[in-house]
Parts: sequence; C-alpha cells; structure tokens
Amino acid sequence: NAGVTQTPKFRILKIGQSMTLQCAQDMNHNYMYWYRQDPGMGLKLIYYSVGAGITDKGEVPNGYNVSRSTTEDFPLRLELAAPSQTSVYFCASSYSVQFTDTQYFGPGTRLTVL
Amino acid sequence: KQEVTQIPAALSVPEGENLVLNCSFTDSAIYNLQWFRQDPGKGLTSLLLIQSSQREQTSGRLNASLDKSSGRSTLYIAASQPGDSATYLCAVIYNQGGKLIFGQGTELSVKP
Repeated sequence: NAGVTQTPKFRILKIGQSMTLQCAQDMNHNYMYWYRQDPGMGLKLIYYSVGAGITDKGEVPNGYNVSRSTTEDFPLRLELAAPSQTSVYFCASSYSVQFTDTQYFGPGTRLTVL
Repeated sequence: KQEVTQIPAALSVPEGENLVLNCSFTDSAIYNLQWFRQDPGKGLTSLLLIQSSQREQTSGRLNASLDKSSGRSTLYIAASQPGDSATYLCAVIYNQGGKLIFGQGTELSVKP
C-alpha cells in the first residue's frame, strides 16, 4: 500500500492564483482530513470528510474548498491565493470511528504565496 | 478555549540519556491523546495513542502516560539515540466537537 499520497510536494503561487492540492489514500479509509502547519506551530484542521459526498469545516476553513467524490480522493482547492495561505499542508486519513482512530498522514505539500 | 501546550519548544540531550517530553491540555474531557513524530520535511507518524480510560501506553523505548485530572501527558524516551531526533507533537481529541487539537511540538535533538 502507498498509504496517503499528496501532490505536488512544492508549489509557488502568485497572489490571486488558484490551485488544487491532491490527496489520495489506498487504505479504504472512510475519514479524510486536511491540515495546515505554520512554522513553529502545531497542525490546524481545515476541512474533513466522513465519507464520499460528505464534508465539513474544521478550525480554519476560510479561503479553501474541498470535495469528496470517491473514498480514495480528497482534493483541497485554494481560490484567490493570499500570502496568509503560505504553509505546509498535510492530508490524513483514518479508518473507523470519527477522530478516535489513528490518523495516517501524507508527506505534505509546501506552498508559498508571493 | 480547548488548547494543547508543549513545553519546551526545543530540547537537546546527549545520546543515551532518558528524557521526558511534556504535554498539557486545558479540558479534562478528552476521548484520547496521541503522540506523533515528525521528521524534517516529512509527514507525521503516530507513535502512541492513549484512550481516555487508559493511564499509559508503551511501545519499545517509548512510554506515554495520561493524567486527565491534572491535564497532562508525558512521553518518556529511554536510552535516547541520534535517530530519535525529530519534532514530537501531542494531539488531543475532546469529547465536544471531536476534532484533533495539536500542540506546537517539541523539537528534540540527540547528540552523539
């Protein structure tokens, strides 16, 4: 199993540009999550999904959108990128009961907005 | 506000030393607490998960304890090795909301 994969690994955007961060998992996990990690800080939850077609906001959802059309994929969309969105983005997944199972993390996408 | 705090932000020890990393949380009504390891430029790896009904979990040289009444958890690393150098993150799931709340991490450096 590849686990949780994320693409791209690095990206530089100009202010106002849009992009989609890709996330996929091959563990048949129901739950998927997007986090951002700012320097010297812990991770903050952006959005999460409890299954295909179901998504919900986390702690810091503004400026982002998500969709979950399949169990495997959970893309994160940035519209009108801003310097405040410069961060490292992590996707994660877990199998069973909401938030009480171990989460498996992808390697991250390092995004810079200039 | 439900928060998780880790002190110190950074720690440097000589190889072979036993060490303790600290995590504190503001609300004792937790589902579970997890300790993660993060290597530079990499994602997080789950080390130990302690359910609210448990007092500790062990894996190899790692032992994590949980004291809900005092709002504290510790991660004990025995006989530290240079390969243990990484950032260690503590995260809590609270009963209300069910979202994983992370501390800011402790960056550990084990010197040969």
